[in-house]
Amino acid sequence: DARVTQTPRDKVTEMGQEVTMRCQPILGHNTVFWYRQTMMQGLELLAYFRNRAPLDDSGMPKDRFSAEMPDATLATLKIQPSEPRDSAVYFCASGDLVGTAGELFFGEGSRLTVL
Amino acid sequence: GENVEQHPSTLSVQEGDSAVIKCTYSDSASNYFPWYKQELGKGPQLIIDIRSNVGEKKDQRIAVTLNKTAKHFSLHITETQPEDSAVYFCASLGNGQNFVFGPGTRLSVLP
Repeated sequence: DARVTQTPRDKVTEMGQEVTMRCQPILGHNTVFWYRQTMMQGLELLAYFRNRAPLDDSGMPKDRFSAEMPDATLATLKIQPSEPRDSAVYFCASGDLVGTAGELFFGEGSRLTVL
Repeated sequence: GENVEQHPSTLSVQEGDSAVIKCTYSDSASNYFPWYKQELGKGPQLIIDIRSNVGEKKDQRIAVTLNKTAKHFSLHITETQPEDSAVYFCASLGNGQNFVFGPGTRLSVLP
C-alpha cells in the first residue's frame, strides 16, 4: 500500500534550534508539495517540486526556511533558526500530475512545536 | 495568483440531513477542482474531483457541481452520517500546476 511517509511525527524544540522534516513521496510521483497547516491559515503552500526541480517556493520565509529534494525518494524542509510562530503541522504531499489533473496523496504530517 | 474562498467555515447538520459547502475561485485558467476530507490527526484525502469540462459529478452520497461562468463549485453530501464529520477543503489547480486550497469547513454531523 503506497503512502507518503513523513518524519518526525512530532517535534518539540526550543527557539533558535534547527529543525529538519523529511518526506518520502510515493515512488513514481513527479510532483512533491510542502504545506503548512495552522488553525488560522488553513493549508498554506510553502514549496513544490516537479521531477525534483523546485518550481515555486514563494510561500516560504527565505531567510529561515529551505526545501530540497536530493533524490527522488527524499524531500526535506529545514528551518534554521526556528521561531515560536513556526509552530504548525507540516504536510508533504505527492502526486503524479499529468496534464491538468491529479490526486495529491498527503502524509500524516509533522507537528512542530517551537518553545 | 489564484485565490480560493470557502463557506461556511463551520457547519452543523443533523444526521440524515444534507450538507452543502461552497467555494469560489479567481483564476479563470483553473481547470481542475478537487475536494479533500481531513479527519482528526490525519492528512487530507481526496474524496471527489471535477474537471472544467464537466458540470456535475456524483459518487454515492457525494456530488460536486461546477459553474465555470460564475467561478464557483460546491460539494453536496446527502444522508449525512457521523463519520462524515471532518474538515473539508476545496482546491483549484491552474496552469501553474499549483494546488490552491480554500480555508476549510468543519462539518459536524449531530446524532
